[in-house]
Order: sequence, then C-alpha cells, then structure tokens
Amino acid sequence: AQKITQTQPGMFVQEKEAVTLDCTYDTSDPSYGLFWYKQPSSGEMIFLIYQGSYDQQNATEGRYSLNFQKARKSANLVISASQLGDSAMYFCAMREIIRAGANSKLTFGKGITLSVRP
Amino acid sequence: GAGVSQSPSNKVTEKGKDVELRCDPISGHTALYWYRQSLGQGLEFLIYFQGNSAPDKSGLPSDRFSAERTGGSVSTLTIQRTQQEDSAVYLCASSSTSGGQSSYNEQFFGPGTRLTVL
Repeated sequence: AQKITQTQPGMFVQEKEAVTLDCTYDTSDPSYGLFWYKQPSSGEMIFLIYQGSYDQQNATEGRYSLNFQKARKSANLVISASQLGDSAMYFCAMREIIRAGANSKLTFGKGITLSVRP
Repeated sequence: GAGVSQSPSNKVTEKGKDVELRCDPISGHTALYWYRQSLGQGLEFLIYFQGNSAPDKSGLPSDRFSAERTGGSVSTLTIQRTQQEDSAVYLCASSSTSGGQSSYNEQFFGPGTRLTVL
C-alpha cells in the first residue's frame, strides 16, 4: 500500500522568498512516480511537477523544483520567488509505475496550506 | 482544446435519494478516474477506467456507489440512497496512455461536483 504524509501546519512565506513544502512517502512498489498539485480556492487541481523514482536528477519546472531524496523517502517541493498567486493548498501524490506508459490511481496526502504575504 | 468537464457543478439532495454525476474527459484520453474530496481533506480514490473497463474499483466505499463508462468517453458515477457522509466534492480526472519510456501520464482534473446531502 502507498502512503503520503504531509504534516506541516499552514505555511506562511513573504512574497519573493523561497519556501519548502514537505512530503514523505511510503511504498513497496519498485517503480513509482511522485506528483505535486496546487489547489487554489477556486477548487481546480493544477499539476505542477513530476519526479520518477528512477530519475537521476531532481525535477525542475520554472519556479518549482523537487528535492527528491529516495533513501529518506522524501519529495519536498521548493517554490522560489513566491508570488501572491501561489497562495493555495498543495498536495503531494504518488502512483505505482507498473510499466512505461501505463496508468494507475494517485494516492494523495492531506495537503498543506500556503499563504504568501505581501 | 477543452479540458475535463463535470456536471452538475453543484447538487443538493435529500438523504435516501439517488444521484448521478457526469464526467466528460479530454478527447482521446483513455484513462478516467473518480476521486472524492471531503472538506479540508486530500483526495480519496474511488475508481479507475481504462477504456470502458474498470481495472481498479478498490476505492468505492460501499455497494451504494457504482460507475460506468461508455464509448471510452463519458462516465457516470451513481450514488444510491445517499447518506450525509456522502457530502463531498467529487472530482474526475483523465489521462492519456502513452508507450513512451519517460511518459508519466499526468492526470488532468475537472472542476468537480459539490454534492450536499441534507
């Protein structure tokens, strides 16, 4: 079974500063993918970044980067140069990779609320 | 192109009534997922379709919940004899199936249906 843990209370960051959102996971799957989604108050789920368990380098996508530490089973999201529009709930999720290109369900954490202060 | 659409956006029903929630995935996406999000919580997986078949329905909470998908496109989630604990936002997502080695088949989410059972 897969499990995602997000235990930080509500996070606050000053505009233009960087912030790290923590995510730890547990799985017995040999191959898996890790995802971060953003959910603003409007409720839509917005995909941010992906990290494969066999990827040699940490993923980056614009202002988002993923600090992947496989031995510690952590996949923390780093947001650089925070903007007011970054205020939202952030969810870490994972899924088993059965084979390249195959689909499977996502297992989500409970989420972290991020508030960006002007 | 058009994203994932869901209808209705809001549904208020009385305890004991049946409800149907509809999801139109992105055109060409072979995989379709239903998730449930209770207030302030993460997303809980319900069921996954690949084409018209459901290889994973492990998240359906009881036999009051059922889903079908026709023509490899539209899906309907049906909740019979609704209970107050069924109140939540029901989210649908779709993804493509790619044979690419590096593909991670990101899930694209719809806006959700907010279900309130009185």
